[in-house]
Amino acid sequence: DSGVTQTPKHLITATGQRVTLRCSPRSGDLSVYWYQQSLDQGLQFLIQYYNGEERAKGNILERFSAQQFPDLHSELNLSSLELGDSALYFCASSETSGNLYEQYFGPGTRLTVT
Amino acid sequence: AQTVTQSQPEMSVQEAETVTLSCTYDTSESDYYLFWYKQPPSRQMILVIRQEAYKQQNATENRFSVNFQKAAKSFSLKISDSQLGDAAMYFCAYRSDDKIIFGKGTRLHILP
Repeated sequence: DSGVTQTPKHLITATGQRVTLRCSPRSGDLSVYWYQQSLDQGLQFLIQYYNGEERAKGNILERFSAQQFPDLHSELNLSSLELGDSALYFCASSETSGNLYEQYFGPGTRLTVT
Repeated sequence: AQTVTQSQPEMSVQEAETVTLSCTYDTSESDYYLFWYKQPPSRQMILVIRQEAYKQQNATENRFSVNFQKAAKSFSLKISDSQLGDAAMYFCAYRSDDKIIFGKGTRLHILP
């Protein structure tokens, strides 16, 4: 158990809909990262937040957005969902920002778009 | 742009034997970290081992060790005394400036 929690575990929704994935980092961790793991694209970095501010951006679609709240939990919002958005979405957290600090991964949220 | 290549989509090894998973990467940066992550059927991402690029000494964690060849941009993972619990997908990853780039993964089967 990494200490990172993600809800829900599974989510099934229809195309065109909007969903919100939630992540609670390990106690004391300031940085949160979001990743998408899909069959065709593999594991991709989406976005990072550090202490409430966006720190780094990867291959995140414009239909997707994220935020980190004052209590440091983070939410990833996916809108206008397409079949290709079906994937496992991971959240990871680290103590602070920087290469030195290990990222601890949550169990993931499996999103199925039908 | 940085890339990470794992050329072996699948590998098999007999229990108790040694296996080496290959990884190459491309970067123009000098300060970076390299990782191997394990993803068992539970889908949890588990850090196996990490290597700082500025360190010449190869990292070792119990039965897991790496062969880091910086000039060749190669970062292979050796698993000694393979166990059934080692069966998983293994991802090589490159990290710089908080972004991690993952390879496509190698699925490792352990034969009893």
